[in-house]
Formats: sequence, C-alpha cells, structure tokens
Amino acid sequence: DQQVKQNSPSLSVQEGRISILNCDYTNSMFDYFLWYKKYPAEGPTFLISISSIKDKNEDGRFTVFLNKSAKHLSLHIVPSQPGDSAVYFCAARPSGTYKYIFGTGTRLKVLA
Amino acid sequence: DSGVTQTPKHLITATGQRVTLRCSPRSGDLSVYWYQQSLDQGLQFLIHYYNGEERAKGNILERFSAQQFPDLHSELNLSSLELGDSALYFCASSVASGGQVDTQYFGPGTRLTVL
Repeated sequence: DQQVKQNSPSLSVQEGRISILNCDYTNSMFDYFLWYKKYPAEGPTFLISISSIKDKNEDGRFTVFLNKSAKHLSLHIVPSQPGDSAVYFCAARPSGTYKYIFGTGTRLKVLA
Repeated sequence: DSGVTQTPKHLITATGQRVTLRCSPRSGDLSVYWYQQSLDQGLQFLIHYYNGEERAKGNILERFSAQQFPDLHSELNLSSLELGDSALYFCASSVASGGQVDTQYFGPGTRLTVL
C-alpha cells in the first residue's frame, strides 16, 4: 500500500519558468512532510520540510504547499534552473514515529 | 559531500550469500537510518537507530539485521540473499533523536547486485 504517491514519473520545464512537483498521501496521521533532491550516483539531499500544522513553507526559490483536506503536497521551484534537473522525492513521517515514507520520485528536467 | 560514508560502493555476490554494508555517520550525528531503493522504486525505510538503540523498524525482512556500535557507525547485514535483494542501500544520519523532524544527510549508497 503506497501511502505517499508521486504520480508523475517525469516533468520537463523551460529554464526560468516554474516547476511544480506534486505528491499525494493517504494517511492523515503524517505530522511532517519533506522534499529531497537526488542526483545520479549520489544520495538524496534534503531540500525543504513542512509541518502538518502549516500550509506553506518557503526557502529561497523553493516553496512547499500543503493542502490537508486534499491530502496533497506540492513543491514549487521558481525560477527553475538547469542545475535543478534531478529526481525529487517527497517523504512523510507518521506522527509519533521515527519512520519516513518516501514516494517513488519525479524526474525533473530543466531545459536551457 | 554529505559527510556520511558508506562502504563498499559496489558489491556483487551470489544468491544464498551474506554481506555486510557499513555506514559512518556525520561527526556528531547520533541517528542512523537505513533505506533500500530497488529499481524504479522510492526509498523504502528499513530501520532507525539512535545512539546504539533501535528506534523504528520498517519493512525490513527477517533475513536482514542491523546494529549501531558505540562509535556510532552502523552495519546492515543481509543474509540468504535472493535476486530481489539487488538494490541501492542508503544510510542517512541526523543529529536529533527523531522526536522532531530533522534533516537527514544521506551517504552515496551501496549498490548490491545478487547474481
């Protein structure tokens, strides 16, 4: 049972435009959501997180939005840069646990 | 460079064998997490240790075991290997005990191939 889903395996965006990566979840008991970026042959790198009590968190070009009623999370990258080309994973933590559940990832390609 | 080291980088072995993957966390980090990434899959959480104690288990097979030593390095032991165990195995470390969300720093991974 995939509790965290990233339904778009890939996304292509023009440099300078906005990239929107989406994530859906099924468990209402997640208390934190995170986004990681992964380049080939490297481990994932933390990007940004959001608590379930918030609906938005911003860090530079990266903004995460949380819509609890829709059980939907999105990552906005503005403006997109070629160096942003990577696989992006969303992850969620069930409340009161030390586990993190990851989605299957979305491959973002930013075209110069 | 995240500061987390994993050895070996690549491992090729045969079905039925046993292997040990090693992880050294960042200096000062007390938490170690292990993940498995199979082809086209997300990262599957396996297990979490904090300061030598097991704190959480995910979908870790009984054939797999792990431990965290007093010097905080961790080992993941995989035994009676099957073809389906071929995957990338990541270790991550963090400062916090997990009570609050904390940034996990991932190592480069160990690619295991079972033939």
